[in-house]
Amino acid sequence: GAGVSQSPSNKVTEKGKDVELRCDPISGHTALYWYRQRLGQGLEFLIYFQGNSAPDKSGLPSDRFSAERTGESVSTLTIQRTQQEDSAVYLCASSSLGGRDLYGYTFGSGTRLTVV
Amino acid sequence: AQSVTQLDSQVPVFEEAPVELRCNYSSSVSVYLFWYVQYPNQGLQLLLKYLSGSTLVESINGFEAEFNKSQTSFHLRKPSVHISDTAEYFCAVGTWAGANNLFFGTGTRLTVIP
Repeated sequence: GAGVSQSPSNKVTEKGKDVELRCDPISGHTALYWYRQRLGQGLEFLIYFQGNSAPDKSGLPSDRFSAERTGESVSTLTIQRTQQEDSAVYLCASSSLGGRDLYGYTFGSGTRLTVV
Repeated sequence: AQSVTQLDSQVPVFEEAPVELRCNYSSSVSVYLFWYVQYPNQGLQLLLKYLSGSTLVESINGFEAEFNKSQTSFHLRKPSVHISDTAEYFCAVGTWAGANNLFFGTGTRLTVIP
């Protein structure tokens, strides 16, 4: 597609429920990133996919968070047993080069998750 | 570990006045730097970047940033702001070794007052 697409744009869920967030990267972009932006805070790195390599999961805050990506296509971020502190905007970005992203990322518009 | 500090969370400025948005970073290895902009209800967009070479980099809409290695800074400036510059600005740092991801600051909300 023309840009990075994320769905849903907004999600309200009850504490304890599981949620799944989706990211459609730009076609041909080998690298895909998930970031989290809590209110009043900077972007927090969660996970990085590069082609068929093992993902860099070093930013995932707990084992309730997981993400998958099939090849160089869609990625899903799953949060199990959601907690109120999971409320944030979840941003997906893709890049054509991966690794040292010298041309920057293309970001999606994000999914605003609210846990009540 | 790397980190980015944007000391000013909000910067109000009158239209046609100059502005500087501050960014300082911490890293033990060589870095490259970006400024991203997020307009209301839009995603983050790349504004400008420093990779190597000339320490002064410019964007197409009149912003510029200067990489200062000794002061570990990458401040963003514009000599005369416009209403349309109202947005949130994020500084980000990447490293030539180590982590593959970018590290972002907390953002500065620039509000241009007519």
